[in-house]
Amino acid sequence: GAVVSQHPSRVICKSGTSVKIECRSLDFQATTMFWYRQFPKQSLMLMATSNEGSKATYEQGVEKDKFLINHASLTLSTLTVTSAHPEDSSFYICSARLSGGLTYNEQFFGPGTRLTVL
Amino acid sequence: GENVEQHPSTLSVQEGDSAVIKCTYSDSASNYFPWYKQELGKRPQLIIDIRSNVGEKKDQRIAVTLNKTAKHFSLHITETQPEDSAVYFCAAKTSGSARQLTFGSGTQLTVLP
Repeated sequence: GAVVSQHPSRVICKSGTSVKIECRSLDFQATTMFWYRQFPKQSLMLMATSNEGSKATYEQGVEKDKFLINHASLTLSTLTVTSAHPEDSSFYICSARLSGGLTYNEQFFGPGTRLTVL
Repeated sequence: GENVEQHPSTLSVQEGDSAVIKCTYSDSASNYFPWYKQELGKRPQLIIDIRSNVGEKKDQRIAVTLNKTAKHFSLHITETQPEDSAVYFCAAKTSGSARQLTFGSGTQLTVLP
């Protein structure tokens, strides 16, 4: 089946630093990847939709200058949390959708990245 | 945009009993409704999905029903087992070119041995 990896799985950083999270589709091409944030005991909240070769589409309330998304290839999207603060601490999950094909394309989720900002 | 509501937020059942989780959606153009199971600290795993041209789908102990008129869909788990304990999320795929999923708030299912 389709596999999505994320790196790193956990990261602890100091306030004010930037953190980059990678999302890779290992055995398929994904023109579209999604970035979610999940706080403890809450649902997945879509942050942005990442499209290969074009700018990401951010959801309302998500600062595009703080959460930089780059989707440079059909198998890699990165999320950079710039100038991280403790309130950015969360579980970040990406998902990837198969390129082309049917309307009902399934999304395949990465294992998530636990970010802790001290 | 799409709004998905999910109930209950927590559900405890005895092992062997059935569990039912219900979701409603607002966008009548939504046409894909997956259910995910998420264990603590892990990724959501698709357990079953249904498309808008189908009213019911079953996979062993898991079934999903869809009522397009009422805009609600439900997850049914029969003969529950302790390993079914997890958080379950429903989702609906929005219409339009973005084709993104909107998730419900989740249900913490606990199966008591």
